[in-house]
Amino acid sequence: QSVLTQPPSASETPGQTVTISCSGSSSNIRSNYVSWYQQFPGTTPKLLIYRTDQRPSGVPDRFSGSKSGTSASLAISGLRSEDEADYYCAAWDDSLSGGVFGGGTKLTVL
Amino acid sequence: EVQLVQSGAEVKKPGESLKISCKTSGYSFTSYWIAWVRQMPGRGLEWMGIIYPSDSDTIYSPSFQGQVTISADKSISTAYLQWSSLKASDTAVYFCARHFLTGTKDPQFGPWGQGTLVTVSS
Repeated sequence: QSVLTQPPSASETPGQTVTISCSGSSSNIRSNYVSWYQQFPGTTPKLLIYRTDQRPSGVPDRFSGSKSGTSASLAISGLRSEDEADYYCAAWDDSLSGGVFGGGTKLTVL
Repeated sequence: EVQLVQSGAEVKKPGESLKISCKTSGYSFTSYWIAWVRQMPGRGLEWMGIIYPSDSDTIYSPSFQGQVTISADKSISTAYLQWSSLKASDTAVYFCARHFLTGTKDPQFGPWGQGTLVTVSS
């Protein structure tokens, strides 16, 4: 079981907005930054969001991150078929003194 | 351009030792933490540990402490992950990743190496 909890799957139709949640605790999400990654099968993960709500250059503004308390979210608006991938959240955990990932969410664009 | 290039796929037997590498270029190697991340077949990402090449400060996940060794060679801008005695359960793809921001341990990784597939089988 991952320290950060994500739904195993999510789905939405093209053009719509989907939100992927990442649930943690006071030792990780509440007190530290959250990052989000996109991974296509057989490829390297890509940083989508850092410092909870910041996008690296080149990441479309359709991707946005936020957090409230012990939960974080990744929202993808204007869904496209090419957004179909696995998405992971990550954060530092003060109790473990290390980083932790969520279990990942497989996004299907219907 | 920042690049992390990992060593090639390995096939090993249980009990053998292994050291895989992550050669970096295009930035100041000593200014950013580097992480190792495991992905077992069909599974998610796991944070194994990080190293700060400037002083070799290393932090391990409790799950990997004592199971692997992370090191770095500043002279050739290369990080390493090694095992002294592999197990079948070590079969996975291992990624190295540079921290996105300098000086921070937070797991905010980019760019990533291409991954090294390690297969352990008798």
